[in-house]
Amino acid sequence: ETGVTQTPRHLVMGMTNKKSLKCEQHLGHNAMYWYKQSAKKPLELMFVYNFKEQTENNSVPSRFSPECPNSSHLFLHLHTLQPEDSALYLCASVPVDGNTIYFGEGSWLTVV
Amino acid sequence: QQQVKQSPQSLIVQKGGISIINCAYENTAFDYFPWYQQFPGKGPALLIAIRPDVSEKKEGRFTISFNKSAKQFSLHIMDSQPGDSATYFCAASMGRGSTLGRLYFGRGTQLTVWP
Repeated sequence: ETGVTQTPRHLVMGMTNKKSLKCEQHLGHNAMYWYKQSAKKPLELMFVYNFKEQTENNSVPSRFSPECPNSSHLFLHLHTLQPEDSALYLCASVPVDGNTIYFGEGSWLTVV
Repeated sequence: QQQVKQSPQSLIVQKGGISIINCAYENTAFDYFPWYQQFPGKGPALLIAIRPDVSEKKEGRFTISFNKSAKQFSLHIMDSQPGDSATYFCAASMGRGSTLGRLYFGRGTQLTVWP
């Protein structure tokens, strides 16, 4: 248990649906990340937030929309996804001293 | 261009043997090199990590060897056990704070340890 909690753990959505993934940590970490893990690619960074401000968008399509209302919560809003977006979406956080990265268990997304 | 290259893609080892997974990186600015272990249905869990000021780090049965001049690092699992069967990922990042979490991952190695 890393202290980074992701919900839901599993999600099935249609291509026209709108859904959201949630990540929360009460560890006092200032930096939060979304990563994507799909079967055919290495784990890849999607977004970086530092003190609630987005500092990196790794050329992610606009059908993925992140939101960071405070340093403890991170959302990934999903709309009009494609079947190839089916993957494990992982949230991670880093404390201010930046010594260790903590990953959540991930949200398994299936787009049908 | 993949910044971290990992091999082999899969590895089968007998119980009690040594498992060795290798990674190579391109960017000399990297200064944090973690290894993650991932079981099916779970997120990656930090196993062990090293910074380039040391050439080796050992934690229990797990050892990282680091060769800065060759830009390579490897994970050695001594006395491999069936419970070690998982996917292992190497990664690299730079700095501290938010840049630490900007990890570049290898493609992973599926380790199977036969009893």
